[in-house]
Amino acid sequence: DAGVTQSPTHLIKTRGQQVTLRCSPKSGHDTVSWYQQALGQGPQFIFQYYEEEERQRGNFPDRFSGHQFPNYSSELNVNALLLGDSALYLCASSLEVQGSYNSPLHFGNGTRLTVT
Amino acid sequence: GNSVTQMEGPVTLSEEAFLTINCTYTATGYPSLFWYVQYPGEGLQLLLKATKADDKGSNKGFEATYRKETTSFHLEKGSVQVSDSAVYFCALSKWNDYKLSFGAGTTVTVRA
Repeated sequence: DAGVTQSPTHLIKTRGQQVTLRCSPKSGHDTVSWYQQALGQGPQFIFQYYEEEERQRGNFPDRFSGHQFPNYSSELNVNALLLGDSALYLCASSLEVQGSYNSPLHFGNGTRLTVT
Repeated sequence: GNSVTQMEGPVTLSEEAFLTINCTYTATGYPSLFWYVQYPGEGLQLLLKATKADDKGSNKGFEATYRKETTSFHLEKGSVQVSDSAVYFCALSKWNDYKLSFGAGTTVTVRA
């Protein structure tokens, strides 16, 4: 049973560029959340997708956008990259029918983005 | 808003020592509380959770009790092993909120 898979594992970009990160949820899961984890910090919620719609967003600018596909996989796009966007980006999946309040999140290993 | 404050690390212990990581939270109502663990090179994993006051979550020898009167959810283990070396995150969620709010994490290193 495959867990949450993310690609690529590492990425180096230049300021001003755009990046797309990809996530495949755990088999059977239908909800995908994205988190940003800066070095030495806890993960910060970016947004959550369910039924191909963004249903909640954290305190991140519009440069951060996403998409969920019919097979529940998801992409995170970041435009006009800043040095401060350097972080580990985590994808987490869960099963909506269990209720988001208590539904345990299953995390991928993350994509390490470095902006130079 | 909702927030979690956890004990700063790093924490270094010898095998078989007692581990406590303090976690306090700020939230209205009755959040669910979680401990997640991140082993080296791996993704975050749920360690344990508690959904109401006085609940005790437990897993792999770790325990944490949801104390509403002190707004705390401290993690404890009576006898740690080298394999417990990891980063531990306290987190909370609310019934009307889809996100987890995490603490900054506590790095624990257990020496043989």
